[in-house]
Amino acid sequence: GENVEQHPSTLSVQEGDSAVIKCTYSDSASNYFPWYKQELGKRPQLIIDIRSNVGEKKDQRIAVTLNKTAKHFSLHITETQPEDSAVYFCAASIEQTAGGGNKLTFGTGTQLKVEL
Amino acid sequence: DTAVSQTPKYLVTQMGNDKSIKCEQNLGHDTMYWYKQDSKKFLKIMFSYNNKELIINETVPNRFSPKSPDKAHLNLHINSLELGDSAVYFCASSQRTSFTGELFFGEGSRLTVL
Repeated sequence: GENVEQHPSTLSVQEGDSAVIKCTYSDSASNYFPWYKQELGKRPQLIIDIRSNVGEKKDQRIAVTLNKTAKHFSLHITETQPEDSAVYFCAASIEQTAGGGNKLTFGTGTQLKVEL
Repeated sequence: DTAVSQTPKYLVTQMGNDKSIKCEQNLGHDTMYWYKQDSKKFLKIMFSYNNKELIINETVPNRFSPKSPDKAHLNLHINSLELGDSAVYFCASSQRTSFTGELFFGEGSRLTVL
């Protein structure tokens, strides 16, 4: 089955700096790579996703890049703010277009702390 | 107007007891899931139902039994609770035909087994 590794496990940055979280996956058939943010005591929520036919996607201060050949993808957060502090999870799956569900395999999470 | 709701939010019980967690979604989604998040924050899928039919069943002890009375509800029953079952259990849903594939999670049910 799919295995997703995520680094670093903790990341501390100064407000305004950039943060980068990296993930690798094992199953070359995976074609869908979302990122979820989980604030303390809250539910995970999707912040951005990318599909294997795209190399990069950007949404305001966050961006995700995908290297299919190397089987790794990364989350980039620029101009970090205190409210960016949370646990971030990468995930990978083979997106089902008909039948089945979305069997996401999550990475182990990165605790991001943005310090003032 | 909560999208995915689960009850109870907190559950404290003794080893050996049986407990249930209920989940309901009002998003009209076809597919529902149960995820387990352990103390290290690791999120792992347990089950998935599509329109009341079990489609994903990971390596989970038989003590865990999901039930989907209709596509808007997915309950989780746990028999003979063990200390290692302590975790936060998240229900989630997604639209099978949606291009985004986004999972909508409930608020989680924190289970503590003493």
